[in-house]
Amino acid sequence: GENVEQHPSTLSVQEGDSAVIKCTYSDSASNYFPWYKQELGKRPQLIIDIRSNVGEKKDQRIAVTLNKTAKHFSLHITETQPEDSAVYFCAASRNTGFQKLVFGTGTRLLVSP
Amino acid sequence: DTAVSQTPKYLVTQMGNDKSIKCEQNLGHDTMYWYKQDSKKFLKIMFSYNNKELIINETVPNRFSPKSPDKAHLNLHINSLELGDSAVYFCATSDGNSNQPQHFGDGTRLSIL
Repeated sequence: GENVEQHPSTLSVQEGDSAVIKCTYSDSASNYFPWYKQELGKRPQLIIDIRSNVGEKKDQRIAVTLNKTAKHFSLHITETQPEDSAVYFCAASRNTGFQKLVFGTGTRLLVSP
Repeated sequence: DTAVSQTPKYLVTQMGNDKSIKCEQNLGHDTMYWYKQDSKKFLKIMFSYNNKELIINETVPNRFSPKSPDKAHLNLHINSLELGDSAVYFCATSDGNSNQPQHFGDGTRLSIL
């Protein structure tokens, strides 16, 4: 079955710095890769997603890149703010309809003012 | 108006008891999911239903029994609760007919004494 590895497990940056979180997946048939942000005590919320037909997607300060050959994808956050502090999860799925999402182990991002 | 609502938010009960968690969505989605998030924050899919039909059933003890009375509801009944069942259980929904991401409920924190 699918296995998703996520690194680092914790990441501390200063406000204004960039943060990069990396994930690798094992199932070459995976074609949908969402990223979720989970604040303490809250539900996971989608922040960006990418499908296998594109290599990069950007939404303001957040970008995701996908390398299908190497089977890895990354989340890039620029100009980090204290409000970006949360746990971030990557996930992978074969289908975009009935999504059997397999999540990474999470990255705790701490942005210090 | 909450799109995906779970009840109860908190559930504290004794080992050996039977309990149910309910999930309701008003997004008109046809696919619903249950996830378990343990104390280490690992998020893992348990079940998925599409149009009231079970489509994903991960390796979950048969003490856990999902029930979908209609497209808008997916309940989770747990028999003979064990200490290891303590976790946050998240319901999520998606539209199985389009390439849209999953939306999560606020979670139910289950604590077994």
